[in-house]
Amino acid sequence: GENVEQHPSTLSVQEGDSAVIKCTYSDSASNYFPWYKQELGKGPQLIIDIRSNVGEKKDQRIAVTLNKTAKHFSLHITETQPEDSAVYFCAASFNDYKLSFGAGTTVTVRA
Amino acid sequence: DTAVSQTPKYLVTQMGNDKSIKCEQNLGHDTMYWYKQDSKKFLKIMFSYNNKELIINETVPNRFSPKSPDKAHLNLHINSLELGDSAVYFCASCISQNTGELFFGEGSRLTVL
Repeated sequence: GENVEQHPSTLSVQEGDSAVIKCTYSDSASNYFPWYKQELGKGPQLIIDIRSNVGEKKDQRIAVTLNKTAKHFSLHITETQPEDSAVYFCAASFNDYKLSFGAGTTVTVRA
Repeated sequence: DTAVSQTPKYLVTQMGNDKSIKCEQNLGHDTMYWYKQDSKKFLKIMFSYNNKELIINETVPNRFSPKSPDKAHLNLHINSLELGDSAVYFCASCISQNTGELFFGEGSRLTVL
């Protein structure tokens, strides 16, 4: 089955700086890569996703890049704000079926 | 107007007891899931139902039995609870089994003493 590794496990950044989270996946057939944000006491929520036919996708301050050859993808958050503090999960699947999640990254934005 | 709602939010019980967690979605989605999140935040799929039919059944002890009376509901019953069952259980739904975004409930924190 798919195995997704996520780094770092914790990340502390100064407000206004950028944050980068990296994931690798094992199954070359995987073609769907979403990122979820989980705030304290809440369920995860999709923030951005990318499919294997594109290399980069942006939505305001967040962007995701995908390198299919190396089997890794990354989340970039620019101009971080306190409300970006949360646990972020990457995931991978083939045709959206049975997502495999990474172990999560706890992001803390220092004011 | 909560999209995916789970009850109860908190559950504290003794080892050996049987308990249930209920989930309902009002999004009109065909597919529902149960995920388990352990103390290290790791999210692992347990079950998935599509239009009341079981489509994913991960390696989960048979003490866990999901039931989907209709496509808007997916309940989880756990028999003979063990300490290792302590976790947060999340229900989720998506439009259909191969269409991307999962909508999660707020979770049910189960503590087994």
